[in-house]
Amino acid sequence: EAQVTQNPRYLITVTGKKLTVTCSQNMNHEYMSWYRQDPGLGLRQIYYSMNVEVTDKGDVPEGYKVSRKEKRNFPLILESPSPNQTSLYFCASSFFQQDRGSSYNSPLHFGNGTRLTVT
Amino acid sequence: AQKVTQAQTEISVVEKEDVTLDCVYETRDTTYYLFWYKQPPSGELVFLIRRNSFDEQNEISGRYSWNFQKSTSSFNFTITASQVVDSAVYFCALSLDSNYQLIWGAGTKLIIKP
Repeated sequence: EAQVTQNPRYLITVTGKKLTVTCSQNMNHEYMSWYRQDPGLGLRQIYYSMNVEVTDKGDVPEGYKVSRKEKRNFPLILESPSPNQTSLYFCASSFFQQDRGSSYNSPLHFGNGTRLTVT
Repeated sequence: AQKVTQAQTEISVVEKEDVTLDCVYETRDTTYYLFWYKQPPSGELVFLIRRNSFDEQNEISGRYSWNFQKSTSSFNFTITASQVVDSAVYFCALSLDSNYQLIWGAGTKLIIKP
């Protein structure tokens, strides 16, 4: 089954304790991305990756790190979590399509989300 | 600058009513893509539809329909004969040909009362 798998689903941690949220996709997608979702703010992009070893900042990258050493995995790292990083996090992936001379993302496949609480 | 506006923060209707969710976008690009995603109470995000800027045909899928109007920069979503299972947060999003990033609206929470 084609899917994006995030782990863990729920995580409660304390300020300053490093953590990693894993994301893996089995669809051989080039593009992967991390979002955070907060009430009233919709989805905001943290980081994205166009392919292996290629990562770029999104709209809210401060306090986060990512890596893309393999095509299937795109972990999100919080080196020193703070309470303002309490949020619902989503990983997503897609591939690039060509249509009438334009190249664009296929619709995103999302993971089930990780609810992070930092106390 | 690019922007997606979903002015309706929350809509509440009684089951079987028709309901329209508004989406207005801003971009100067001539090639772009518009999306709708659904987030039910269980939390997952589900893709509903993608529309290319060069294809203004409206789309109907069962009780769902989408009205794309470039003249008003709108991509509205209508649910006909709504059902309780339609209760969710619905997001509209814009992607440009010049890059692969999605610009998201803030979402509209739809509540369908039995």
